[in-house]
Amino acid sequence: GNSVTQMEGPVTLSEEAFLTINCTYTATGYPSLFWYVQYPGEGLQLLLKATKADDKGSNKGFEATYRKETTSFHLEKGSVQVSDSAVYFCALSPRWGSSNTGKLIFGQGTTLQVKP
Amino acid sequence: DTAVSQTPKYLVTQMGNDKSIKCEQNLGHDTMYWYKQDSKKFLKIMFSYNNKELIINETVPNRFSPKSPDKAHLNLHINSLELGDSAVYFCASSQDGGTGELFFGEGSRLTVL
Repeated sequence: GNSVTQMEGPVTLSEEAFLTINCTYTATGYPSLFWYVQYPGEGLQLLLKATKADDKGSNKGFEATYRKETTSFHLEKGSVQVSDSAVYFCALSPRWGSSNTGKLIFGQGTTLQVKP
Repeated sequence: DTAVSQTPKYLVTQMGNDKSIKCEQNLGHDTMYWYKQDSKKFLKIMFSYNNKELIINETVPNRFSPKSPDKAHLNLHINSLELGDSAVYFCASSQDGGTGELFFGEGSRLTVL
């Protein structure tokens, strides 16, 4: 079956520290992979995505590379800010042939708290 | 102009009551979803509609009944509310043939007392 596993949180960092949030997946076929971010009291926003192996998604200083050999999509940022404090969700969209199935499967979310 | 909008944002009600949450998207997408986020932030799909047709129903109790009057709207009606229904419900939409990216509303926090 399809599943996503993220590292347990919460993750607490000082401002300007390096961030890694691990994400591994299990999927049949070739899924698209996503990182979504949920700021306090808000809905989910797409942070970045990758649709095929070795693609690198990037946005707002965050990066993640689709690694098929290790079935991973780890999120990284070189220097976090207080405003990055949020819950981060790794997700996959299963794909059959060239079409996405239209269903996102989420990891359990990782809470990031950045202190000044 | 909000792309995916849900109402109400907050809902507090008693056990046994019936309530509805409405969702509208102005992105021209073909598919809409309801997701439930529990107290531990875990997100799980409940339903998916494509052009007003139900395509995903993830073993949700039949007290939950989605309705899609047109492809821009997907409402969720819940009968006989139970304490375990307390959660944040997110509406989302996506475009067919896309990468699978979903656009989410801001959520509706339901509290059952």
